[in-house]
Amino acid sequence: QKEVEQDPGPLSVPEGAIVSLNCTYSNSAFQYFMWYRQYSRKGPELLMYTYSSGNKEDGRFTAQVDKSSKYISLFIRDSQPSDSATYLCAMSGNSGGYQKVTFGTGTKLQVIP
Amino acid sequence: SQTIHQWPATLVQPVGSPLSLECTVEGTSNPNLYWYRQAAGRGLQLLFYSVGIGQISSEVPQNLSASRPQDRQFILSSKKLLLSDSGFYLCAFQREGETQYFGPGTRLLVL
Repeated sequence: QKEVEQDPGPLSVPEGAIVSLNCTYSNSAFQYFMWYRQYSRKGPELLMYTYSSGNKEDGRFTAQVDKSSKYISLFIRDSQPSDSATYLCAMSGNSGGYQKVTFGTGTKLQVIP
Repeated sequence: SQTIHQWPATLVQPVGSPLSLECTVEGTSNPNLYWYRQAAGRGLQLLFYSVGIGQISSEVPQNLSASRPQDRQFILSSKKLLLSDSGFYLCAFQREGETQYFGPGTRLLVL
């Protein structure tokens, strides 16, 4: 079993839709939870970063962490064609003195105008 | 603010040739530095990480090596490239207690 599971998609939605992206994980030692957005042929860009269970909102983006279920989500409201990208979840915990980050394989999102 | 640079952006190399990819970070000191490879549909694979000058840890055995000659410089090398070394190489930095920030990446094609 992989430490982090993420549906690769692709996920195709109409412009204006609410998008829900999800990851599950198995390592209860993970402390930090991140979402990255990666456009084609570019490096991943950090979108959201949270430490605890609960919700964190930033504009149209909401990150949700449920540590009891080992489940994290990213919601995108009023999705735009510019949101079309691959979204990577990531989690980290202390490993031998540094924060080792484990990534999901990414979900490809396409927002249709 | 912190920035991270990688070069070259794209590289096409023949099998058996050497490789040197460079990563530099600005605006921070003593960061942890990372090299990842991203293959299509396979996510990010951690290759090397470094917590200080001259300190390199390898995550997987492979045809590549890394060096950190200066605090904010991280180099990925190979003496002889294999076809399987093709991929998208990403450098990242991390400050203590924070998450990782990625560079723009280098696309390597070995022919």
